[in-house]
Amino acid sequence: KAGVTQTPRYLIKTRGQQVTLSCSPISGHRSVSWYQQTPGQGLQFLFEYFSETQRNKGNFPGRFSGRQFSNSRSEMNVSTLELGDSALYLCASSLVLGVNEQFFGPGTRLTVL
Amino acid sequence: QQQVKQSPQSLIVQKGGISIINCAYENTAFDYFPWYQQFPGKGPALLIAIRPDVSEKKEGRFTISFNKSAKQFSLHIMDSQPGDSATYFCAASSKETSGSRLTFGEGTQLTVNP
Repeated sequence: KAGVTQTPRYLIKTRGQQVTLSCSPISGHRSVSWYQQTPGQGLQFLFEYFSETQRNKGNFPGRFSGRQFSNSRSEMNVSTLELGDSALYLCASSLVLGVNEQFFGPGTRLTVL
Repeated sequence: QQQVKQSPQSLIVQKGGISIINCAYENTAFDYFPWYQQFPGKGPALLIAIRPDVSEKKEGRFTISFNKSAKQFSLHIMDSQPGDSATYFCAASSKETSGSRLTFGEGTQLTVNP
């Protein structure tokens, strides 16, 4: 069974631009969560989607948003990029909402110049 | 109250030795405690997990010890190998209050010398 896939793997943007990252969960998994990983703040929860609805949200500004499609694939968007948004963005999938066991993708490395 | 504290920040162990990483939490609603292993350039991989109804869980060379009253849990890696060199994260979640959301510790960079 294929794991969680994320595209693109690497991205370079400049301040003020916006970016969209994509995540395909493990086949059969319907819940998708997003995390930001930085050296300073570690791994921080962004949001969780299930049945195309955001079910849970972390402590990030409104510039960070996401959505989920009917096939469970998810996208996250960051608008008006800031230098501090440079990070590894990780997607994790689980079978259904509230199932603790989560499996992570390889991440998208975003660099904001 | 959502924090998970992890120590040490870095750990150097000789091949064949025991690696021990500790975590402490405050939120008593947490009911799931996984450990993840992350290699450079990769996403975290689920290693082993425990729920509060057991005090210990072993899978191969990896063991989680859980102390509910002290609100602490730890990862023991027996017979540590150079291939175990990676960053380890403890985490916790509460199905009741936060769904699948994981709260992570700060991470421990483990180096196993040959």
